[in-house]
Amino acid sequence: SQQGEEDPQALSIQEGENATMNCSYKTSINNLQWYRQNSGRGLVHLILIRSNEREKHSGRLRVTLDTSKKSSSLLITASRAADTASYFCATDFSSGNQFYFGTGTSLTVIP
Amino acid sequence: DTGVSQDPRHKITKRGQNVTFRCDPISEHNRLYWYRQTLGQGPEFLTYFQNEAQLEKSRLLSDRFSAERPKGSFSTLEIQRTEQGDSAMYLCASSQVRLAGEQYFGPGTRLTVT
Repeated sequence: SQQGEEDPQALSIQEGENATMNCSYKTSINNLQWYRQNSGRGLVHLILIRSNEREKHSGRLRVTLDTSKKSSSLLITASRAADTASYFCATDFSSGNQFYFGTGTSLTVIP
Repeated sequence: DTGVSQDPRHKITKRGQNVTFRCDPISEHNRLYWYRQTLGQGPEFLTYFQNEAQLEKSRLLSDRFSAERPKGSFSTLEIQRTEQGDSAMYLCASSQVRLAGEQYFGPGTRLTVT
């Protein structure tokens, strides 16, 4: 079974709004990452947050990590139509040897 | 182009045939991963190499699947006696040890078994 589970499964918002998606996982991790996948394409790495970090920013992206709740959230601010994609969290609990991806959140940003 | 490349991009094969996919990682990356992704699901880990050594293999991986990475550069994934359930997108990713975790993905090979 996969380690991470994203919530919601699908999200539809208007351009300019913020989008928040969540990831829950089951066991202790070394780090957690978020990836984006456009339809039919490979995945693009967005941001990595280590288990000893609580928050990280990259441009319009903000990621939080709560290891006590085994959860993470990805916030995309001021969304754009180009942000339409599937977003996956991936967890690593074996020092970079294996990564487990969730089922993803499908985000649609309506122009 | 310095990204991860995969070949072919699409493969249609008949059930029972063997297929082989190739992945060329980013040249300075010593870690290489293979994943399988079906529609509506996240990538599922198959196997992982550090240089030429295959260090991890998913317990879910059938013995019909084999992967190699000779000389620690490109890698091949072979599926023998394909089944319809093997139809999926096969993704390759590479990373550096010092940036453990940040993987760069190729565009994938879409396999259709008829």
